[in-house]
Amino acid sequence: GENVEQHPSTLSVQEGDSAVIKCTYSDSASNYFPWYKQELGKGPQLIIDIRSNVGEKKDQRIAVTLNKTAKHFSLHITETQPEDSAVYFCAASKGNFNKFYFGSGTKLNVKP
Amino acid sequence: GAGVSQSPSNKVTEKGKDVELRCDPISGHTALYWYRQSLGQGLEFLIYFQGNSAPDKSGLPSDRFSAERTGGSVSTLTIQRTQQEDSAVYLCASSLAHSTDTQYFGPGTRLTVL
Repeated sequence: GENVEQHPSTLSVQEGDSAVIKCTYSDSASNYFPWYKQELGKGPQLIIDIRSNVGEKKDQRIAVTLNKTAKHFSLHITETQPEDSAVYFCAASKGNFNKFYFGSGTKLNVKP
Repeated sequence: GAGVSQSPSNKVTEKGKDVELRCDPISGHTALYWYRQSLGQGLEFLIYFQGNSAPDKSGLPSDRFSAERTGGSVSTLTIQRTQQEDSAVYLCASSLAHSTDTQYFGPGTRLTVL
């Protein structure tokens, strides 16, 4: 089955700096890669996603890049703010297989 | 509109007892998912429903775990003869149709087995 690895497990940045979280996956058939943000005591919330026919996608301060050849995808957050502090999860899915495989999470701390 | 709701928010039970966890998906969402999140870990897929049927039950950790969905809406996850290793946050998510639609998560049920 699919194996998704996520790095780093914790990341501390100064407010205004950029943060990058990386994930690798093992199954070349995976074609959908969402990123979730989970705040303390809440369920994960989708923040951005990318499909395998796209190399990069941006939404304001958040961007995701996908390298299908290398089987890795990354989340980029620019101009970080304290409210970006949370746990971020990547995931991979084969689409119609209906199962998501999640990374182990990255705890991001943005210091004011 | 209303999001995914789960009840109870917290459940403390004794080892060996049965528990039922409930999920109310977003109205009109046909797909429903259950995940388990252990402390500091990622999300572990348990089961997926499309309508009332469960095409993929492969994530259920043992035969003590079962789930059902009635009327294409509410789902219950039942854990029989609970064990301490069942302690975790159980998350439910729903989406409009299939897996590449956005999954909206509920707040979860924190289960503690003493």
